[in-house]
Amino acid sequence: QSALTQPPSASGSPGQSVTISCTGASSDVAGYNFVSWYQQHPGKAPKLMIYEVSKRPSGVPDRFSGSKSGNTASLTVSGLQAEDEADYYCSSYAGSNNFYVFGTGTKVTVL
Amino acid sequence: QVQLQQWGAGLLKPSETLSLTCAVYGGSFSNYYWSWIRQPPGKGLEWIGEINHSGSTNYNPSLKSRVTISVDTSKNQFSLKLSSVTAADTAIYYCARTVVSVYYMDVWGKGTTVTVSS
Repeated sequence: QSALTQPPSASGSPGQSVTISCTGASSDVAGYNFVSWYQQHPGKAPKLMIYEVSKRPSGVPDRFSGSKSGNTASLTVSGLQAEDEADYYCSSYAGSNNFYVFGTGTKVTVL
Repeated sequence: QVQLQQWGAGLLKPSETLSLTCAVYGGSFSNYYWSWIRQPPGKGLEWIGEINHSGSTNYNPSLKSRVTISVDTSKNQFSLKLSSVTAADTAIYYCARTVVSVYYMDVWGKGTTVTVSS
């Protein structure tokens, strides 16, 4: 099972929006509505930001939103803030043989 | 508030067995799966496997031959063993709570750095 493909980097100025893509296959992203997104600051554990493609856990700002079309999922961060600078990883359920596959990760820089 | 506290040996020699344990404090232990995920230095996340309170396990096929995940419900703990380690197993290892049937990890431990070196 190959990792999901994400762009290595993305950036935006404070207040702008940035969108990160996560491309998979019919066996994972396209096949299930179980895409999640994680934020990871340097030296810290990942933090759940989005689950089931577009749902936000309690406490996650509504500036974070998720969507999916076919085999590509996306995370959009609107109104960028300095604390949004971090690595972001997508993940998808990949069936009962492979279970979970993660993305390659995207480093978001707030300019 | 649920917290995961993990521990284990941080330095191993090639061919040894990695052993880590994660304790769950607060919340339900029986309504979730409990996962191990690792992150090599400067790289992305890799799911290793998961277990539930009754001992039912699922493993990453690429690691399955070397991985054993076990559970101790009397202590609300679960453990990871990875045999025959090599330098490629050097990573930060995280434990995490996995939500059943919707497939995401909503609570994570702080991570344990494991280095394999002769």
